[in-house]
Amino acid sequence: AQSVTQLDSQVPVFEEAPVELRCNYSSSVSVYLFWYVQYPNQGLQLLLKYLSGSTLVESINGFEAEFNKSQTSFHLRKPSVHISDTAEYFCAVTFVGRDSSYKLIFGSGTRLLVRP
Amino acid sequence: GAGVSQSPSNKVTEKGKDVELRCDPISGHTALYWYRQSLGQGLEFLIYFQGNSAPDKSGLPSDRFSAERTGGSVSTLTIQRTQQEDSAVYLCASSLKDRAADTQYFGPGTRLTVL
Repeated sequence: AQSVTQLDSQVPVFEEAPVELRCNYSSSVSVYLFWYVQYPNQGLQLLLKYLSGSTLVESINGFEAEFNKSQTSFHLRKPSVHISDTAEYFCAVTFVGRDSSYKLIFGSGTRLLVRP
Repeated sequence: GAGVSQSPSNKVTEKGKDVELRCDPISGHTALYWYRQSLGQGLEFLIYFQGNSAPDKSGLPSDRFSAERTGGSVSTLTIQRTQQEDSAVYLCASSLKDRAADTQYFGPGTRLTVL
């Protein structure tokens, strides 16, 4: 069955430290990959996505994620986090079937807690 | 333009009562999705509407759950005979077209508490 795994439910980190939020998905022929972020008391919003082309994608606020097909991963990284990055981060994967049907599945989320 | 809106923002109800949750998608978006987010859980897909096609109801957890979308715009999620396990945040999202690569735009959610 198709699945998206975010092994870390919570990641505490000090301000200005680097962080990596892990996302793995079940193997599939064709996928589109997304990271959504949910700030406290706000709705989910797209952070970045990979559709095709360069395997490294970046967001406007310094996050980046790399599509690794062989490891079926799409880990999210930031070299130096800010207090304002405290939020819940969801990895989502669209699995595209051979008949062009698709199914979007979300991971269980990782809460990033940035401490001063 | 305006984003996805949902109402009410909070709903407290008694076990056994029916509730209706409303979603107004972004104008012009043809695809609409309902999800459920329980504490400590990811997003659980419930139902998906695309244009005039029959909705994908494969995620509805029981026949107490139903949804409709009128005029290709506003959608209502109805939960009949609510149970305590229905307590969760119900999220609505819309996207421009029915494409696997489309970004989904989420509303703020309705927090449902069943006493």
